Amino acid sequence: GESVGLHLPTLSVQEGDNSIINCAYSNSASDYFIWYKQESGKGPQFIIDIRSNMDKRQGQRVTVLLNKTVKHLSLQIAATQPGDSAVYFCAEKKSAGNKLTFGGGTRVLVKP
Amino acid sequence: DAGVIQSPRHEVTEMGQEVTLRCKPISGHNSLFWYRQTMMRGLELLIYFNNNVPIDDSGMPEDRFSAKMPNASFSTLKIQPSEPRDSAVYFCASSLDLSTGELFFGEGSRLTVL
Repeated sequence: GESVGLHLPTLSVQEGDNSIINCAYSNSASDYFIWYKQESGKGPQFIIDIRSNMDKRQGQRVTVLLNKTVKHLSLQIAATQPGDSAVYFCAEKKSAGNKLTFGGGTRVLVKP
Repeated sequence: DAGVIQSPRHEVTEMGQEVTLRCKPISGHNSLFWYRQTMMRGLELLIYFNNNVPIDDSGMPEDRFSAKMPNASFSTLKIQPSEPRDSAVYFCASSLDLSTGELFFGEGSRLTVL
């Protein structure tokens, strides 16, 4: 597929288990943190975002946690399904600007 | 809505040739972004437009790259002359609300320069 390939960290998870994907960011001035999912052969797709004044936000089967002290962001996927197999990217931006900076990505493989 | 539409999906060309990639953003979106994705560098922002005006082109690699947005429904990214190191997947994305980071990406144009 078109997503970044051979050198991605990979998380293998059993179907039905929970997944946790981690991301370290560098810019303490960032105001928004976003998770994107990229399936093979497709463009990245927005999953969930969180503002810097929050430390947790929940969506459907997903939860994003933000720890500004250690500049760490995580995405938790509950009851992982085969359709969750993809590359997941964290991204950050400042509210004053429109530049979205993406991290390197983590590949999630769901085993049946 | 058809989403962001990019063409061509795949292009194979020879070094030195001109390449033009095209993008139709989602109707009503006022911001458009061009990204490049490679194994080595991941997703990189090349340029973005707001209301058809280029705002930040600091990510454009060099003078061989140029982008235009003549109207709200069309943008092009041109590489002239192309080089093998330009081989990548080029994504176009559009956005309505820039206060968050929600971009809508097209399916990409895979470019191979021989």
